[in-house]
Amino acid sequence: KNEVEQSPQNLTAQEGEFITINCSYSVGISALHWLQQHPGGGIVSLFMLSSGKKKHGRLIATINIQEKHSSLHITASHPRDSAVYICAVRETSGSRLTFGEGTQLTVNP
Amino acid sequence: NAGVTQTPKFQVLKTGQSMTLQCAQDMNHEYMSWYRQDPGMGLRLIHYSVGAGITDQGEVPNGYNVSRSTTEDFPLRLLSAAPSQTSVYFCASSYLRTGNYEQYFGPGTRLTVT
Repeated sequence: KNEVEQSPQNLTAQEGEFITINCSYSVGISALHWLQQHPGGGIVSLFMLSSGKKKHGRLIATINIQEKHSSLHITASHPRDSAVYICAVRETSGSRLTFGEGTQLTVNP
Repeated sequence: NAGVTQTPKFQVLKTGQSMTLQCAQDMNHEYMSWYRQDPGMGLRLIHYSVGAGITDQGEVPNGYNVSRSTTEDFPLRLLSAAPSQTSVYFCASSYLRTGNYEQYFGPGTRLTVT
């Protein structure tokens, strides 16, 4: 079993839909990251969370430490949101990041 | 700031050749790391460093060496390239001691070993 699991693996939505991507982890963490990888390959850090909720524009990330679960929400989705979204956790036992396999999101016009 | 830079962007090697992938950051980050990304496997940690002179192995270290002689640079060396090392390689860096763990990634190096 992977230490970080994301669902769904693939997600197709229509423009304007509300999107949720989930991340569950099995280890104690000091921080959780949401990353975005565009079709060109570049990786961008979207959020780093250790508790609660953060919002950047149409993106919202939440984390429940007790349930070891985080969600990434995209409101009013747009085709330019099409990308791979990756969850990663920094374990409390060390400095390394452990990654989920990513969620491929496609938003159709 | 240039952020995290990686060179080269693309490389083709023959089996048995050696090469060094370069990574540099100008943000005075303590933590630097190398990942490889393969289809269906996500990002996997190769080696990482928590400061100059300190390196450690990640999940998939075999066939790779690293060194960290300065805070800025973290080169990844392939001593004898194998086709199994065909992948996209990403370097990343972040602060550690300040508690700000935001990750910064380089643009990636696409390596093909024939």
